[in-house]
Amino acid sequence: ETGVTQSPTHLIKTRGQQVTLRCSSQSGHNTVSWYQQALGQGPQFIFQYYREEENGRGNFPPRFSGLQFPNYSSELNVNALELDDSALYLCASSLGWGASTEAFFGQGTRLTVV
Amino acid sequence: RKEVEQDPGPFNVPEGATVAFNCTYSNSASQSFFWYRQDCRKEPKLLMSVYSSGNEDGRFTAQLNRASQYISLLIRDSKLSDSATYLCVVNIVEEYGNKLVFGAGTILRVKS
Repeated sequence: ETGVTQSPTHLIKTRGQQVTLRCSSQSGHNTVSWYQQALGQGPQFIFQYYREEENGRGNFPPRFSGLQFPNYSSELNVNALELDDSALYLCASSLGWGASTEAFFGQGTRLTVV
Repeated sequence: RKEVEQDPGPFNVPEGATVAFNCTYSNSASQSFFWYRQDCRKEPKLLMSVYSSGNEDGRFTAQLNRASQYISLLIRDSKLSDSATYLCVVNIVEEYGNKLVFGAGTILRVKS
């Protein structure tokens, strides 16, 4: 177990709805990154939060947004859901960021948009 | 062109076989390199980091060639439990943060 927990584990939403996914980082970790993994693909970087600030973002539209809280837990919010948003959403926590930083992944939230 | 490219497989091998996976990456700013293992419907787990000098962990050997932007993973004496998807990953460090860039993964099926 990595100590990174995500909730919920599974979720079904309707196109156009909004969703919030949650991530509790490993104790002491101040950095959280979110990834989207579509079926048959590798995870794609959405964004990273370090000490409550977004410090990096991948090629995702603004309807993907996030927050990091003072306890370093994090949320991923997706507005106006589209069918292509169906994927496994992974969060990874780490102590800081850099070349040698190891990221620990949660078990993921499987989102299905119908 | 994808930033990290892998042969998707699947590689179907008998127990005890040696199997090699290759990966190329396009971003020369990549600073560190990894192989992750992902079991069906589970999260990726770090298998090993990859260094230019080559590194070995039991039956697993990883190698990095920065000049060719090429990464490899060799698995010797394959076990049934090695069946999984193997993800080649590069770490790109930018001014204020870093991101892991994953290949699409190579599927390995080890059969008895």
